[in-house]
Amino acid sequence: GENVEQHPSTLSVQEGDSAVIKCTYSDSASNYFPWYKQELGKGPQLIIDIRSNVGEKKDQRIAVTLNKTAKHFSLHITETQPEDSAVYFCAATPGNEKLTFGTGTRLTIIP
Amino acid sequence: DTAVSQTPKYLVTQMGNDKSIKCEQNLGHDTMYWYKQDSKKFLKIMFSYNNKELIINETVPNRFSPKSPDKAHLNLHINSLELGDSAVYFCASSQLSDNTEAFFGQGTRLTVV
Repeated sequence: GENVEQHPSTLSVQEGDSAVIKCTYSDSASNYFPWYKQELGKGPQLIIDIRSNVGEKKDQRIAVTLNKTAKHFSLHITETQPEDSAVYFCAATPGNEKLTFGTGTRLTIIP
Repeated sequence: DTAVSQTPKYLVTQMGNDKSIKCEQNLGHDTMYWYKQDSKKFLKIMFSYNNKELIINETVPNRFSPKSPDKAHLNLHINSLELGDSAVYFCASSQLSDNTEAFFGQGTRLTVV
């Protein structure tokens, strides 16, 4: 089955700086890679996703890159703001199967 | 209009008791899930139902039994609760046939004392 590793487990950045979270996956058949943000006391919410037919996707301050050859994908948050503080999860699936989640990254934005 | 709603939000109970958590989705999705999130925030899938049929049953004690009366509901029953069952339980749903995102409920924080 799929195995997803996520790094770092904690990340602190100064407000306005960029944050990068990286994930690797094991199943070369995986073709869908969502990123979730979990705020305190809430369930995870999708913030951006990418499919294996593209290498990069951007939505305002958030971008995701995918390297299928190396089997890794990354989340980039630019111009970070205090409300970006949360736990972020990457996930992967080969499709028609369960999502396998990474172990999470606790991001803290320092004002 | 809550997409995935689960009740209760908090549940405190004694060891040995039996409890249930309910989940409903109004998104018309064909698949529903139960995840367990421990104190380190790890999200582990427990069960998945597709069109009321069990399709994923991870290594979970028999004390945990999911029940899906219809596509929109997936309830979780836990018998003989143990201290180690304390965690946050999340229900989620997705349209598996479209390979799209999973929507999560707000979670049920279960505390066994």
